[in-house]
Amino acid sequence: DAGITQSPRYKITETGRQVTLMCHQTWSHSYMFWYRQDLGHGLRLIYYSAAADITDKGEVPDGYVVSRSKTENFPLTLESATRSQTSVYFCASSESFESSYEQYFGPGTRLTVT
Amino acid sequence: QKEVEQDPGPLSVPEGAIVSLNCTYSNSAFQYFMWYRQYSRKGPELLMYTYSSGNKEDGRFTAQVDKSSKYISLFIRDSQPSDSATYLCAMSSRTNAGKSTFGDGTTLTVKP
Repeated sequence: DAGITQSPRYKITETGRQVTLMCHQTWSHSYMFWYRQDLGHGLRLIYYSAAADITDKGEVPDGYVVSRSKTENFPLTLESATRSQTSVYFCASSESFESSYEQYFGPGTRLTVT
Repeated sequence: QKEVEQDPGPLSVPEGAIVSLNCTYSNSAFQYFMWYRQYSRKGPELLMYTYSSGNKEDGRFTAQVDKSSKYISLFIRDSQPSDSATYLCAMSSRTNAGKSTFGDGTTLTVKP
């Protein structure tokens, strides 16, 4: 399927477990982003990547790890999940630095940490 | 204090009304001003963007940017029930390494 996909769409995990959220895009966009969305906080940037093997922290990176070995994939790992990481996670991509104002979002992953 | 402030609403209007959604910001380096629409349980989608100051119109939607006041607006004319969604403003600058800063979103309901 063309576009940007996320898996799983829903995930329930326990405190302390490691969980990985997947993001895949078919456009060969350079930039990819991970956000979390919580009531009262809007979209907050966790990590972003300008290209394969180039990643950088966003506003709320603590407790998360990312990698980008291939342009099309940008997995987000919660190393030891906490209840405060219960949220909706969105992956996004943009074609280039010049067009970074235009981001394309995935459908989101609803994560619950019990 | 947040770089981008947006009234969360909720905002409820009758069908056919003119809707005004607004954001203020503090970072004078912002050059790109975007509006995203997010339907319930979906990802945001870009509605329109404006570079620097001025107005931009796209069908029933008009985006305005006033950089002197650090204030942006989105107007929706002849609002429809299908416009019911959360609207997020977002801003970016060339110096911000490709990142955008989002407002918290305003939830709009258009009643038939």
